[in-house]
Amino acid sequence: KNQVEQSPQSLIILEGKNCTLQCNYTVSPFSNLRWYKQDTGRGPVSLTIMTFSENTKSNGRYTATLDADTKQSSLHITASQLSDSASYICVVSVNQAGTALIFGKGTTLSVSS
Amino acid sequence: EAQVTQNPRYLITVTGKKLTVTCSQNMNHEYMSWYRQDPGLGLRQIYYSMNVEVTDKGDVPEGYKVSRKEKRNFPLILESPSPNQTSLYFCASRGVRTYNSPLHFGNGTRLTVT
Repeated sequence: KNQVEQSPQSLIILEGKNCTLQCNYTVSPFSNLRWYKQDTGRGPVSLTIMTFSENTKSNGRYTATLDADTKQSSLHITASQLSDSASYICVVSVNQAGTALIFGKGTTLSVSS
Repeated sequence: EAQVTQNPRYLITVTGKKLTVTCSQNMNHEYMSWYRQDPGLGLRQIYYSMNVEVTDKGDVPEGYKVSRKEKRNFPLILESPSPNQTSLYFCASRGVRTYNSPLHFGNGTRLTVT
């Protein structure tokens, strides 16, 4: 069964600290993996996409990694800010058309001052 | 501004009273879809549409209907709402001509069925 599991379920960190969110998937076939950020009361917004051949990709203070062999991805947030408080959702696409998406349940990050 | 617009943002209704949640996108996207988001369950797909007059069931279609008469609009219809349909609903769209394009989500509709 295709599944995407994220850990931890929730996380609290101090402003300025770094953190890493994990995403493990058992999805086949695999097309790509995307991280979304969902602010409270808003729809998810794409942060970055990882394809099979990519190991690391950065988007500002966000760095995503992908290990296709172990079927794991991580999202590292550097020098966290209060605005990073959100839910982070890992989504794996089974096909290139993007019509078959497997969603993780998300990690809720709270950054406190 | 490129966006997906859902209306209403909040809706409280009673069991059995038909309702429609509208969704409109201004990006000329072919693909549109509806999701519900519940605590502990994450986002689950209800229905999706690859283009005008083409719709298909997602993972949790029971109790919902959709239509795609125009490219920009994709309304979600609850013919006879029940309390278990109380949830946060999101509409999303994406272009299919650009490889690996992301989903663009609306800001959600919080539905309460009493």
